[in-house]
This record gives sequence, C-alpha cells and structure tokens, in this order.
Amino acid sequence: SQTIHQWPATLVQPVGSPLSLECTVEGTSNPNLYWYRQAAGRGLQLLFYSVGIGQISSEVPQNLSASRPQDRQFILSSKKLLLSDSGFYLCAWSGGIQLAGYNEQFFGPGTRLTVL
Amino acid sequence: AQSVSQHNHHVILSEAASLELGCNYSYGGTVNLFWYVQYPGQHLQLLLKYFSGDPLVKGIKGFEAEFIKSKFSFNLRKPSVQWSDTAEYFCALKEGGDKIIFGKGTRLHILP
Repeated sequence: SQTIHQWPATLVQPVGSPLSLECTVEGTSNPNLYWYRQAAGRGLQLLFYSVGIGQISSEVPQNLSASRPQDRQFILSSKKLLLSDSGFYLCAWSGGIQLAGYNEQFFGPGTRLTVL
Repeated sequence: AQSVSQHNHHVILSEAASLELGCNYSYGGTVNLFWYVQYPGQHLQLLLKYFSGDPLVKGIKGFEAEFIKSKFSFNLRKPSVQWSDTAEYFCALKEGGDKIIFGKGTRLHILP
C-alpha cells in the first residue's frame, strides 16, 4: 500500500533563516505531488505541484520554492523565511493518469512551521 | 480562473439533526468534485467523489453529495449527524489538468 511521509512534524525557525521541508511517497511510481498551506479560515492554498522529476508548477508567487529531485521526493524550500510563512504545510500525492486513484489525492500528516 | 466557494464557515448542530453543507464552483468545463474531511488531529481523508454518471454520490459514514450542473453546486448531506462527525469539511474541484482547488472549509461542531 502507498504511504506518504513528511518531516519534520513541527519546526520553529527565526525570520531570515532557510527552510527545507521534505515529503516522500512509498508504494507508487510517477505520482503527481502537491504542496499546500493550510490556514484557519482560509482552507488549503495550493502552492506547487509536480507531474514528474524536475517539473514544478508554481501557483502562488511568494517566498517559497519547490523541487523534485527524485520521483517520489518533493521538497519545499525558502532561502529567507518571513513571519508570514508560518502555517501548516501539507504534502499530497495522486496517481499518474495510467493509475487508479488518478483523480484522488492522499495527504501526508503535515508540518507545523512557526517563524519567530 | 476556477474557484470553490463554501458558504458556511462554521456550523453547529445537535446530534440526529440533518446536515447540508454548501459548495459552489466556477468552471465551465468538465469537472471532478470531491469532499474531504479532517477530523481533529488526523490527516485529510476523502469522503466522496464525483467523476461522471449518477449525480448523487454516496460516500463513507453515511454522507452523500449531489452534483447539480446547472447550479454549479456539489452540496454535502447527511440525514442524521453524530457527535463523531465533528470535523472540518473541504470541497474540492479538479478540472482537466492536474490541479485540485480547495474551498476554505467548513468547521462542523456536533453537540452531544
């Protein structure tokens, strides 16, 4: 069965420091991968998605970037964190078009980021 | 651009009451629609989904949703809620590409 992992679970970082959040998926190949930010009352905001290695689509111009160095690895980064980057970050995957579950997303446990 | 609107931000009901959570979307083409639920302290998980065919979709835990194309709506319903239904509910839309867009969520609180 497929599983999705995110780490760290929680992170407290000072303003101006770099960020690296990691997401990995097991039990599937060539998944679509997604990064969301969840804020109270604002739902899930899609930040980035990727349909393959090295292919990143950015939905919201901001202080963050994403990379996909391997098929089942998705990384969210920042060179200098801002206070407004605080939030709950969720990674999700869905199957490629040839796979069952193509249209459904499966979510990881999330990372709670606090920028001080 | 496509969007998803959930009208109710916070709903409070007593056990055994009937539930209907509104969801409207804006997109002119073929859509796939979803309802996700997030129970306190747990991952987001899928309640139900609509791809095509019968517009009345049944999901887990007694939930159902009806796709009304003319109204661009996909409302979630349950005839009799339980305390364990306390959670946040998200409506989501997938158009022809790979993006899935979520609404802002509805917090449902069931009084025992």
